[in-house]
Parts: sequence; C-alpha cells; structure tokens
Amino acid sequence: DAGITQSPRYKITETGRQVTLMCHQTWSHSYMFWYRQDLGHGLRLIYYSAAADITDKGEVPDGYVVSRSKTENFPLTLESATRSQTSVYFCASSDRGRAGETQYFGPGTRLLVL
Amino acid sequence: SQQGEEDPQALSIQEGENATMNCSYKTSINNLQWYRQNSGRGLVHLILIRSNEREKHSGRLRVTLDTSKKSSSLLITASRAADTASYFCATEIARTYKYIFGTGTRLKVLA
Repeated sequence: DAGITQSPRYKITETGRQVTLMCHQTWSHSYMFWYRQDLGHGLRLIYYSAAADITDKGEVPDGYVVSRSKTENFPLTLESATRSQTSVYFCASSDRGRAGETQYFGPGTRLLVL
Repeated sequence: SQQGEEDPQALSIQEGENATMNCSYKTSINNLQWYRQNSGRGLVHLILIRSNEREKHSGRLRVTLDTSKKSSSLLITASRAADTASYFCATEIARTYKYIFGTGTRLKVLA
C-alpha cells in the first residue's frame, strides 16, 4: 500500500556531478511524470512517460535524462548537475483508464546543487 | 511560458468565509484540474472538469470553466483553517498528455 515513493527525499550534490532521483509506484499506472517546483514558477513538467519504454519531453527537459524500463519505475538523471537545477522535484503517476486523468504525487525530493 | 496563471497570488480570509481563486490558460485543453499543496508536501488532487463541462461540485468545492475565455474558478465555501494551503490549476493540453501547472494561489484561513 505504498502508493508512489521518491528517493532520496533530500540530496546535496556538487556542480558537475551526476545525480539520479528515483520514483516508484505500486499501482501499475501507465503514465508517469517528473516536475520541478521553484518559487515563482509553480510546477514545470520535465519529462513524462505513457508506458514502459515510451518517454517524451515536457516544458523544461534540458539537462535531464529519463528512462522507463519497468512500468513501476521512472528514474530522473541529472547528467551534470548545475546550480540552476536546485529545486524540489516531484514525481506523479496517472492511470487514464480506471482513475481518469488524476495525477497522484510523490512526497518530493529536495535537491541542492552547490 | 506558463500555461496557467492563478489570481490572486495570495488570499487571506476568516474562517467561515468563501474563497475564490481564478485560473487563466492559453491554449485548447482536454481538461482542467485543481490541486492543493500543503507546505512542503506533494500535491493532492481536488477536482477535475472536462473541456465540455461548465460547472462541477464536490463537497465544499465548486469549479467553473469558461472555454471561450480560457478561464476557470475554484470556490471553496465555508472555509476552515485546515483549508490553508496553496492551490494550483493544471491544464491538460489538447491532444497531448502534457500538463501545465499555474503558479498557484496561497490561501490562508484565519481561525
């Protein structure tokens, strides 16, 4: 009954390092999303996935890479972290078939890039 | 650029009063949703209205949608201190599965 989880919850890293944020959902939802939330910008879509092995860019994809080899996992990788990527990152999932278009959000990962 | 813009950015009311928040967007949509976020936490879905609907109710929530004006409003009636949170509208862009969130309205309900 875990729902949707994110790890780590908090992360401090340095400029230039690679960082991977994990997202796991237990509902077998088809759709998964990554957002970042910054003051004054609300939530902005980074990438989304309609199913395993199907991903597409959102509003702000530059500097990020995603993969989805399994339905339940949707990791987000910052290939070479920059200070501008300091943010709170939220993962969400949705099952358009049964639950409609409602998105269910994880608790977020707070990332600080020094 | 942001698809959804909320108005007002912040709202402070007394318990028992009604709170109204507005959202405007720019392109055709499949649906519009409202979410609530308590400080530092993930978003929680409140209500969804489809592009062919004009009004929906859920408990103390009332949502309207005017596609000709590309705007929506969320009304919370008889507000409670527990309603204190940030409220976001999210639009699903027509013919896509992409969602655009607004910048949010911070609601404070004073006891």
